[in-house]
Amino acid sequence: EIVLTQSPATLSLSPGERATLSCRASQSISYYLAWYQQRPGQAPRLLIYDASIRATGVPARFSGSGSGTDFTLTISSLEPEDFAVYYCQQRSNWPHLTFGPGTKVDI
Amino acid sequence: QVQLVESGGGVVQPGRSLRLSCAASGFTFTNYGMRWVRQAPGKGLEWVAVIRFDGSNQYYADSVKGRFTISRDNSKNMVFLQMNSLKAEDTAVYFCAREGVVLDYWGQGSQVTVSS
Repeated sequence: EIVLTQSPATLSLSPGERATLSCRASQSISYYLAWYQQRPGQAPRLLIYDASIRATGVPARFSGSGSGTDFTLTISSLEPEDFAVYYCQQRSNWPHLTFGPGTKVDI
Repeated sequence: QVQLVESGGGVVQPGRSLRLSCAASGFTFTNYGMRWVRQAPGKGLEWVAVIRFDGSNQYYADSVKGRFTISRDNSKNMVFLQMNSLKAEDTAVYFCAREGVVLDYWGQGSQVTVSS
């Protein structure tokens, strides 16, 4: 099983600041990594797939990078609605998708 | 617009069964695989089962293999999750999700609570 670890577990920032979230895979997953945002009481929302491609309707302040085992999600300037939990997910080992444990971005 | 609406959740005793449904609309259902993902209270996301666009193959997480069955009715744009021999650790919100390259649309989830 491919294990994903995310750091930090919690990121405490203010609106307008830059957020940098990390996801590391236990083995190379090429570029097969996605990022999701989950607000309390809501379903996950796809932000980024294949490491760096923004999903439809996702604001440009969200960007993804990385390949192999190390990946980063960057939010260039936090808006109030961005305070949420962010999960990474790999599809290299389809159908056995795995998710990271999440990073909570709070105020 | 794409919509996925789950139903069928509830409170059930250990060892009993429950069937979840997911109604899809707003897209060509037969072009997509469909996946169930669950989230235990206060926990992260765990995939449960996936079915190919034509229903030809189904895959399961080890934690549910032999107890859960995923199916779909392409004539009704529906996907189902039959859950048998439920355990306390199956307590979670169950999401259905459309799977193209990735899980690009999700339903709002259906709560399943397994408790005596």
